[in-house]
Amino acid sequence: GNSVTQMEGPVTLSEEAFLTINCTYTATGYPSLFWYVQYPGEGLQLLLKATKADDKGSNKGFEATYRKETTSFHLEKGSVQVSDSAVYFCALSALRAQKLVFGQGTRLTINP
Amino acid sequence: EAQVTQNPRYLITVTGKKLTVTCSQNMNHEYMSWYRQDPGLGLRQIYYSMNVEVTDKGDVPEGYKVSRKEKRNFPLILESPSPNQTSLYFCASSRDRDALNEQFFGPGTRLTVL
Repeated sequence: GNSVTQMEGPVTLSEEAFLTINCTYTATGYPSLFWYVQYPGEGLQLLLKATKADDKGSNKGFEATYRKETTSFHLEKGSVQVSDSAVYFCALSALRAQKLVFGQGTRLTINP
Repeated sequence: EAQVTQNPRYLITVTGKKLTVTCSQNMNHEYMSWYRQDPGLGLRQIYYSMNVEVTDKGDVPEGYKVSRKEKRNFPLILESPSPNQTSLYFCASSRDRDALNEQFFGPGTRLTVL
């Protein structure tokens, strides 16, 4: 079946550090890939998405590239801020699927 | 403002006492879904609905019921809650079931079953 694996958290970084959160997936066909962010006490918000191989999704300084050859969709940001502290979820949606399949989430804490 | 609302946000109850968590969206979305979030497991789908009067099981439906009598509402019903249903619950909606569409999430309901 379809599945998503994220790097174990929590991740703690200093402000302005470079961020990578790894995400790999297993799926049949060509799924769409997403990163969602959950700020404390809130629901999930779509951060970025990519719908086909080699697409790059980007938003708020975050980027992720759909790599079919490595079945990966790693999240990156060049210089993190304290306000980026949140839980990040990688997810996929297969064609004609009725749901999102989520990774386990990675808690990110940015210290000033 | 486009949003998904859930009530209550927090609930502590006891085993066996029936409860309902409401979910409502104001975006005229066809597709609605319930997830539960547990540490180390991410979000898992409980039930989903592709339109009014059309509901189906997700990955973890045991112990839950849903209904979709109106397009905007999708309540989650726990007929006889048990402690293993202690979790954080999210309702979500999207325009339709197309994989490309963004799902909008509610703020969550934290449920504790004693």
